[in-house]
Amino acid sequence: DVKVTQSSRYLVKRTGEKVFLECVQDMDHENMFWYRQDPGLGLRLIYFSYDVKMKEKGDIPEGYSVSREKKERFSLILESASTNQTSMYLCASSLNPRETQYFGPGTRLLVL
Amino acid sequence: GENVEQHPSTLSVQEGDSAVIKCTYSDSASNYFPWYKQELGKGPQLIIDIRSNVGEKKDQRIAVTLNKTAKHFSLHITETQPEDSAVYFCAAIRYSSASKIIFGSGTRLSIRP
Repeated sequence: DVKVTQSSRYLVKRTGEKVFLECVQDMDHENMFWYRQDPGLGLRLIYFSYDVKMKEKGDIPEGYSVSREKKERFSLILESASTNQTSMYLCASSLNPRETQYFGPGTRLLVL
Repeated sequence: GENVEQHPSTLSVQEGDSAVIKCTYSDSASNYFPWYKQELGKGPQLIIDIRSNVGEKKDQRIAVTLNKTAKHFSLHITETQPEDSAVYFCAAIRYSSASKIIFGSGTRLSIRP
């Protein structure tokens, strides 16, 4: 079974802090994704990566950056956290962009 | 831009009855349509999917139908059980830019005992 793990289930940070959310997958998938999930808005794509050191902006990249130094790991970075970045963050991976995405359990981030 | 509309946003059905969730997509190039179930405190998990060359697919109590002409697809759950309570997301993948999966806004399904 594919396993996608996220470094934290819950995180509380202060406004202005730099925040790192880490995601690791164990199935040698080429593609990895970061989404945020907010009530009534569904899943919105922040960034994705189709190869090591490659990244592309999703629909809402502002205020975020990403890093993919190794195939199995995809990090989401909030350079200076703001209260409007309080959300559930979901990482996913897939073998092929046209195939099933496998999600991690999510990180619930609260920015005070 | 491309989008996927999902209805209803909330659905409550009596245990044992059927539940139907409908999605409409705008990009006629979409050719893969997965459905995800998200239980409380967990990430979404794939429960069934359908490709554009198929009109219907079934897996035990779950079925998905696709009408490419009308650009809509539906999830059908029969003989609902309490463990079916969750948020369900439909999605469509654009063939031309395959990395951009587009999700519906979700349906919160509640099963009444």
